[in-house]
Amino acid sequence: EAGVAQSPRYKIIEKRQSVAFWCNPISGHATLYWYQQILGQGPKLLIQFQNNGVVDDSQLPKDRFSAERLKGVDSTLKIQPAKLEDSAVYLCASSLWVDGYTFGSGTRLTVV
Amino acid sequence: AQSVTQLGSHVSVSEGALVLLRCNYSSSVPPYLFWYVQYPNQGLQLLLKYTSAATLVKGINGFEAEFKKSETSFHLTKPSAHMSDAAEYFCAVTANTGTASKLTFGTGTRLQVTL
Repeated sequence: EAGVAQSPRYKIIEKRQSVAFWCNPISGHATLYWYQQILGQGPKLLIQFQNNGVVDDSQLPKDRFSAERLKGVDSTLKIQPAKLEDSAVYLCASSLWVDGYTFGSGTRLTVV
Repeated sequence: AQSVTQLGSHVSVSEGALVLLRCNYSSSVPPYLFWYVQYPNQGLQLLLKYTSAATLVKGINGFEAEFKKSETSFHLTKPSAHMSDAAEYFCAVTANTGTASKLTFGTGTRLQVTL
């Protein structure tokens, strides 16, 4: 089966600019996650979707981050305006069952 | 709530030596536990998972882990390290509730393999 697709692979922006990331999960996976992985740390959940509804966004900095999942399939994560501390790898994952998670390759964001 | 603690941010072993990466978990409900490996500039690859069946779990690339409820541990081992095992390893936990829920990751352990 095809994996979780993410784009772009890399992105460099200046602080205060905006950026968007895209994720296409595995077909049929109802649950989609966005994680932020800062260099030297483990991934931290930003938001979890079940179909197109938000299950958990308690760690999402809502003043600058937003995410949506269109028709319960693809998802976009946006940052506006970006800060230096947003430099990280943004990982998308999807799952069908509680014990089956598949991660994408991630988008590496550098804010300068 | 669930959490994991990985003891040792860096572990160095000689090629051919035993690999032991430590993970302790905390969970208010029965957990599912995972080990992932991450190579530079790549995503997370699943090594193995515990899902309440056998407590000794075998994974890819010769790795295995044992779930010990009494010790709240899920340590990762490999009898003989290979140079290609050098990477970052993450332990993760989720709640065994029957529905998909978030993975909570540890801070990671960087494994260095020397000649």
